[in-house]
Amino acid sequence: LAKTTQPISMDSYEGQEVNITCSHNNIATNDYITWYQQFPSQGPRFIIQGYKTKVTNEVASLFIPADRKSSTLSLPRVSLSDTAVYYCLVVGGYQKVTFGTGTKLQVIP
Amino acid sequence: DTAVSQTPKYLVTQMGNDKSIKCEQNLGHDTMYWYKQDSKKFLKIMFSYNNKELIINETVPNRFSPKSPDKAHLNLHINSLELGDSAVYFCASSLAQGQETQYFGPGTRLLVL
Repeated sequence: LAKTTQPISMDSYEGQEVNITCSHNNIATNDYITWYQQFPSQGPRFIIQGYKTKVTNEVASLFIPADRKSSTLSLPRVSLSDTAVYYCLVVGGYQKVTFGTGTKLQVIP
Repeated sequence: DTAVSQTPKYLVTQMGNDKSIKCEQNLGHDTMYWYKQDSKKFLKIMFSYNNKELIINETVPNRFSPKSPDKAHLNLHINSLELGDSAVYFCASSLAQGQETQYFGPGTRLLVL
């Protein structure tokens, strides 16, 4: 299983762009990189998934370099409501999904 | 309509009791999961079922017994509850295993006294 490493916590001011980087050095060829968001007292919610290069949706962008050993979740112009824990996962095939410790993002007014 | 629902939302009980948590998904997914999130917020998978068949069974005490009566339901029964079982339990479902997006329920907050 590809293990992921991400910062435990980050602070950001409202309106700033936030980048959260995740390391996954032993990612396998058929693995995808997936990010989830969890608000207090709620279950995790899917944000974005990618395999390589760049993926963008209405919520975030995901940047994956060519070697795929890391990835960066980019949240444009964060607001207070983006305060949450963000999990980086590497998933593929029929292996189990493993959530790491996540990054606790605190957005400051 | 709620995609993944769990009941009850809160569960307070005494040590030694037996309790069940129910989960239902109306997404037509084939795979369902149970996760445990402890006080330190670590989210750990407990079980995974695919088409009513057990696929993943992590190192969970055998006091925990999942039951899938049909593809849309995955219930969790816990015997002889212990203090350490206090946690938030999340049910989730996905179209299939692997990289498919998982949809989580709202969680069941279990407190064992």
